[in-house]
Amino acid sequence: DIQMTQSPSSLSASVGDRVTITCRASQSISNYLNWYQQRPGRAPNLLIYAASSLQSGVPSRFSGSGSGTDFTLTISNLQPEDFATYYCQQSYSSEKTFGGGTKVEIK
Amino acid sequence: QVQLQESGPGLVKPSQTLSLTCTVSGGSISGGAYYWTWIRQHPGKGLEWIGYIYYNGRTFYNPSLKSRVTISVDTSKNQFSLRLNSLTAADTAVYYCAREVSLTSPYYFDYWGQGTLVTVSS
Repeated sequence: DIQMTQSPSSLSASVGDRVTITCRASQSISNYLNWYQQRPGRAPNLLIYAASSLQSGVPSRFSGSGSGTDFTLTISNLQPEDFATYYCQQSYSSEKTFGGGTKVEIK
Repeated sequence: QVQLQESGPGLVKPSQTLSLTCTVSGGSISGGAYYWTWIRQHPGKGLEWIGYIYYNGRTFYNPSLKSRVTISVDTSKNQFSLRLNSLTAADTAVYYCAREVSLTSPYYFDYWGQGTLVTVSS
């Protein structure tokens, strides 16, 4: 299976900050990479698909980039509702796998 | 607006079989452009993909769970279901059903159920 490694596992930031989360795949996955946000007690919510395409309804302060094995999720101008856990997920393989998550906490 | 809703018991005994159903509303499960998927999340942990079913009954499972998992579909009820047997405490988790867009690649999960907590305990 394809292993997905996220870093950092957690970070502290302030409202208005720019935050970058990294996801690395154990093999090349082209642009078959998605990002999800999960708030406590809620289901994950799709933010970015195909590495850089913004899902409909998601604020433009979220952006994604990367290809191959290295990907980033950037949140510019962090808002109070953005404090949550973020997961990357590869869809290159029929066996889907997720990263371990990055928890974004309030500084 | 597509909605998915899980249903099933919240408490199951060890060695028994878990049965969960996901009811899809606002769209047809027979649409042909989606994989209907089960994903679970152990308490305080990350997400684990369990497997999917296509509307025609074709399935694909996580190799680590394959020997214990069955996913089935009932297009007449617009539902799909998960059966997981030989339960242990390690199967305690929140179980989500989700829709994976599969018409064009890359694929992604665009709709999720709210999740249902299943506890395995005697």
